[in-house]
This record gives sequence, C-alpha cells and structure tokens, in this order.
Amino acid sequence: NAGVTQTPKFRILKIGQSMTLQCTQDMNHNYMYWYRQDPGMGLKLIYYSVGAGITDKGEVPNGYNVSRSTTEDFPLRLELAAPSQTSVYFCASSETGIYNYGYTFGSGTRLTVV
Amino acid sequence: KQEVTQIPAALSVPEGENLVLNCSFTDSAIYNLQWFRQDPGKGLTSLLLIQSSQREQTSGRLNASLDKSSGRSTLYIAASQPGDSATYLCAVNNQGGKLIFGQGTELSVKP
Repeated sequence: NAGVTQTPKFRILKIGQSMTLQCTQDMNHNYMYWYRQDPGMGLKLIYYSVGAGITDKGEVPNGYNVSRSTTEDFPLRLELAAPSQTSVYFCASSETGIYNYGYTFGSGTRLTVV
Repeated sequence: KQEVTQIPAALSVPEGENLVLNCSFTDSAIYNLQWFRQDPGKGLTSLLLIQSSQREQTSGRLNASLDKSSGRSTLYIAASQPGDSATYLCAVNNQGGKLIFGQGTELSVKP
C-alpha cells in the first residue's frame, strides 16, 4: 500500500519558471491537502480539496494553483516561481474532514527557487 | 483566527527520562487535535488523535491529553529512548479537516 506519493523529491527552479508538484494517493480518500513548511516552522495550508472537482484556498494560496480531476490526484502548480516559495511541500490525504481518523502525509518535495 | 503554540521549541534529555511536550491553542472550538512526529528530511507520521469529546489517548509509551476549555494539550513520553529523537508537531482541526500546526518541538534524547 503506497499511501501518498509525491514527485519530485527535490527541485531547483529559477525565478519566473513554472512547475507542477505531483501528488497521488491510493487510499480512496476524499480529502486532500497541500501544505508548505518553512525552516523551523510548522506547516501552513496552501489549498485543499474535499473531493474530485472541488478545491478551495487555505491560509497561503497566493502564487499557487491546484486541480482535482480524479480522487487519486491533486497536483500543485507554481506559475511564476519566486524565492519566497523556497520551502518543503507536503501533500496529505484523509478519509473525511471534520471527524477524520487521521491524516496520511507524503514524504515531501524540497523546492529551492534561485 | 486559530493559533497554535508549542513550548519548548527544543528539548534535550538523557535516555530513560520521562518528558512532557506542550501545545496550546487560542480557539477552543476544535473538532480534534493530533500529534505528529517528523524525522529530519521526512514526512509526518501521525502518533495520536484526540477527538474533542475525549480527554486523552494512549499508544505504547505515548500519552496525549486534551483540555479543550483551557486550550491545552500535552504529549507525555515515558522512558525516552534515542529513537524518540525527532520533531513533534501538534495540530488542531477546527475548520472541516484543515489542520492548523504549531511550530514543533525538536526533541533530542541522549544515550
């Protein structure tokens, strides 16, 4: 059981470049999330989705876009990379939202923008 | 706006010691609270989840308590081991599944 898979694990981008961070889960979870973690800090929510075709902004959505065409996939798009987007990005999923019984996190994507 | 604070930011203890990690939150209207472990360069592993109606949860040497009215949770680790060295994150769920995280406590257990 793979759980939540994120690719790539590492990436260096130049300012102004774009890229997509991939996230796939095989647990048939409805809820999926993207978080970013800056050094020495907790995680902050970027975007989330409660099911295929439904997405909503989190705490720090500026500079990012998402889509949810299937239950399994929840890619995160950076259109014009900026140094402030240097961070570690985590994708997560959960079976339900409010009374959820735990989250499963991916292993993260370490992104550096230079 | 919900804010989550963890104290201390870092903690170093000798092996075998019992220890307590603290988490506080500003909005007591939470659905549940979760404790995670994060190893360097790795993702998060869920340790314990406490629903708002519960007071504590136990798993092996770990015990987490929740006092919703005072906005506090503690994670108690008994008989600490070097393998417990990691960053411990507390997160509250009060908006339909969206977790609000504390900044974490970095624990080092010395042999």
